Amino acid sequence: DIVMTQSPESLAVSLGERATINCKSSQIVLYSPSNKNHLAWYQQKPGQPPKLLIYWASTRESGVPDRFSGSGSGTDFTLTISSLQAEDVAVYYCHQYYAAPYSFGQGTKLEIK
Amino acid sequence: EVQLVESGGGLVQPGGSLRLSCAASGFTFSSYSMHWVRQTPGRGLVWVSGMSTDGSNTIYVDSVKGRFTVSRDNAKNTLSLQMNSLRAEDTAVYYCARWDDSGKGMDVWGQGTTVTVSS
Repeated sequence: DIVMTQSPESLAVSLGERATINCKSSQIVLYSPSNKNHLAWYQQKPGQPPKLLIYWASTRESGVPDRFSGSGSGTDFTLTISSLQAEDVAVYYCHQYYAAPYSFGQGTKLEIK
Repeated sequence: EVQLVESGGGLVQPGGSLRLSCAASGFTFSSYSMHWVRQTPGRGLVWVSGMSTDGSNTIYVDSVKGRFTVSRDNAKNTLSLQMNSLRAEDTAVYYCARWDDSGKGMDVWGQGTTVTVSS
């Protein structure tokens, strides 16, 4: 089974500053036929379901602000929020959908400093 | 509007059964694989089960194999999860999610339904 490990567990960033969340998978999640990493990032606010932000490690879902970006390949991935807004306070999860059982990171709680 | 609405959660005793449903609308349900994911404060998000578009293929996490059964009715745009022999550790919020086979993975989620297994 693929284990997803996120860091840090929590993060406090000032408004307008950059936030960076890391995710490491225990195995490569690169899907060879498409040459795309099957790695997604979700945002979850209290009382709400997870919302897809990024798929294929770096492709923004429709409607997601461009301050959100994803990068990485192989086993190391990063979610970056370039200029933190108040509405970005949430828990962020990385997720591999390369192989079942599909798995999630433990989450990173992002707060305003 | 694309929407998934779960129902059927509740309080059940250990060893009991519960059937969850997920009603889909706003998209062609029969064209999408569908999945269940559960969430607890302690264990975070855990993928539970998935089913192919026509129901011919199903997959489960090891911890629910032999106890949970996923099914779908494409005529009624409904996904179901029959949960038997429930344990305290099955207590969670259960989400259904649409799987985009073009490569996005789970792109639309319902609001969730809460299952509590307790005596």
